[in-house]
Amino acid sequence: GAVVSQHPSRVICKSGTSVKIECRSLDFQATTMFWYRQFPKQSLMLMATSNEGSKATYEQGVEKDKFLINHASLTLSTLTVTSAHPEDSSFYICSARTGTSGEQYFGPGTRLTVT
Amino acid sequence: GDSVTQMEGPVTLSEEAFLTINCTYTATGYPSLFWYVQYPGEGLQLLLKATKADDKGSNKGFEATYRKETTSFHLEKGSVQVSDSAVYFCALSTASSGTYKYIFGTGTRLKVLA
Repeated sequence: GAVVSQHPSRVICKSGTSVKIECRSLDFQATTMFWYRQFPKQSLMLMATSNEGSKATYEQGVEKDKFLINHASLTLSTLTVTSAHPEDSSFYICSARTGTSGEQYFGPGTRLTVT
Repeated sequence: GDSVTQMEGPVTLSEEAFLTINCTYTATGYPSLFWYVQYPGEGLQLLLKATKADDKGSNKGFEATYRKETTSFHLEKGSVQVSDSAVYFCALSTASSGTYKYIFGTGTRLKVLA
């Protein structure tokens, strides 16, 4: 149980275009989803926290207009990187949680490359 | 603020060697503590966890004990295998502004040689 999927696993896009990444909880309802960014050989950096049906809460320094997060249902959250640039190239990982203080379950990650 | 400090890697061991990866934390209140493992190109997998002081988490031969007096959660394994080669992250979960967030350490890369 507690499986989280992400789609796509890899995406290459041209500079200036937008890319959408999906995060789904497959066998549980996720009241909260988290989006992380990971640079090569570095730790995970929390970008934002989203609760179903409400606006995401972004961490300091994360541009909310660039990284659009939608948590429309209890099993799906999306991250859209708008007007992507090469510096947005990174590994994006989502996680999902039930309840208010439960364990987070992580997706397999999405490798974004902006050319 | 809350933080997690891990020993820097990479750690290179021979197969069947004993492994210790140190992790210490700073937190207000009583956090839950976790060890996650990340294999190349993949997301994070929970390895073990402990939710209160003196709890011992264990899985696949790995162990870690929640030590409140030393604010530590060191990861140990008695005999590592080549398949244990990965990056290991220590993390804590703490209430912050009403939301339980994870705070990760920087990760420790383990390489096990045959």
